[in-house]
Amino acid sequence: SQQGEEDPQALSIQEGENATMNCSYKTSINNLQWYRQNSGRGLVHLILIRSNEREKHSGRLRVTLDTSKKSSSLLITASRAADTASYFCATDARNTGFQKLVFGTGTRLLVSP
Amino acid sequence: ETGVTQSPTHLIKTRGQQVTLRCSSQSGHNTVSWYQQALGQGPQFIFQYYREEENGRGNFPPRFSGLQFPNYSSELNVNALELDDSALYLCASSAGQVLYKEQFFGPGTRLTVL
Repeated sequence: SQQGEEDPQALSIQEGENATMNCSYKTSINNLQWYRQNSGRGLVHLILIRSNEREKHSGRLRVTLDTSKKSSSLLITASRAADTASYFCATDARNTGFQKLVFGTGTRLLVSP
Repeated sequence: ETGVTQSPTHLIKTRGQQVTLRCSSQSGHNTVSWYQQALGQGPQFIFQYYREEENGRGNFPPRFSGLQFPNYSSELNVNALELDDSALYLCASSAGQVLYKEQFFGPGTRLTVL
C-alpha cells in the first residue's frame, strides 16, 4: 500500500513558471525524500530532508516539511522542458528496523516550451 | 546516472513461469532493496538485503524471493508468475543501514506476463 499521496496528480505549466507539488504521509518518519522518474525509467534522487528540518534548498529545488501536518512540498523554480517527469515523495518510516522507502502515488509534471 | 545496473531491460513471460532479475549495486554499497512499480503507481517495497541476509520484507507473497551475493549484487526471483506481476522492477543500493542516506536506483527491468 502507498504511504501517502501527491497532489496534484498531474500538473501542466509553461517554461519559466514555478511548479509546486505536495505530499502527504501517514506515519512518523525519519526523513522524506523526493525522486524524479522519466518515462517509466529508474528513479533519480533529488533531495532528502530530515524530520528535524523544515526547509531545504538544492539549486532550483526547494523542499519544505511540516511534521505536525505530515506533509511536504517540492517547489521547482524557473521550470524547463527537461523537468518534464513524474515526481515522487518517499518516506523512511521510524522504527521499521531497516531502511524501507514508502512512496506516494506521484505527480506527473509537463513543462511546455 | 547511478552505478546501479539491472538486467535484463525487458522481459516477456507467460503465466506460471519463473523469472530471475539481476542487479549490480553501486561500488561500496552493501544494501540492496527491490521495488515493484505497477503502471501509474509509485514503487512498492518488496524486500531488502544487507550483507547477504534478508533484513526486511514488504507485503509480497513467498513466491517472491531473493539472494544477495558476496559482491553485494542481488537477484529477485518470482515463481508461478501471475498477470498482475507485470510491472517495472527496480533495485536500489545504499551504503548500509545508516539513516539519512539516499537509495540509488537502477534503470529497472520491465516484466510483462502474458
